[in-house]
Amino acid sequence: DAGVIQSPRHEVTEMGQEVTLRCKPISGHDYLFWYRQTMMRGLELLIYFNNNVPIDDSGMPEDRFSAKMPNASFSTLKIQPSEPRDSAVYFCASRRTGTGGNTIYFGEGSWLTVV
Amino acid sequence: AQSVTQLDSHVSVSEGTPVLLRCNYSSSYSPSLFWYVQHPNKGLQLLLKYTSAATLVKGINGFEAEFKKSETSFHLTKPSAHMSDAAEYFCVVSDGASSGTYKYIFGTGTRLKVLA
Repeated sequence: DAGVIQSPRHEVTEMGQEVTLRCKPISGHDYLFWYRQTMMRGLELLIYFNNNVPIDDSGMPEDRFSAKMPNASFSTLKIQPSEPRDSAVYFCASRRTGTGGNTIYFGEGSWLTVV
Repeated sequence: AQSVTQLDSHVSVSEGTPVLLRCNYSSSYSPSLFWYVQHPNKGLQLLLKYTSAATLVKGINGFEAEFKKSETSFHLTKPSAHMSDAAEYFCVVSDGASSGTYKYIFGTGTRLKVLA
């Protein structure tokens, strides 16, 4: 079974540009999580969805960040406009209710650099 | 509320010697606990998990961890370190199974260095 798939793996963009990160969760998983990893703050939960519905977005840093999950197999995290302090690794993860002992599975991450 | 504290930001061991990475947690419910490993420029891989079954949990690559409720600890151990174990290790707590909200909270990480 394919794991969590994220794209792009690496992105370099200029300040002020829009950035869209994409995630395909593992098939059959009903929870999807977006995390951000930085040296200063470690791994932070930004938002998570259950059955495509946002459940908790209290970790989203500000209005420049938005996330959507239009269907069970796709989610996006958008930053508009981007700023240098948004440079980080963004991870998507998913889990399936009732199996796997609550384990969440991570993608390989999207390395974002804003210059 | 739930939280997790990794007591050491860096640990250095010699190859072939035991590894101990310490983790304490706080949870208002019965937690699930996990250890993940992250190699440089890679994603996070599950090492092992505790979900209210046996308190001694065995994982991949010879790692194991013991859940101690009285000490609110979930320390990660390995009898003999290998050079390939050099990585960052994260302790994670979730009380979703009890609380119904699935926030997985990560510790700040412990960077393990293995000396030849």
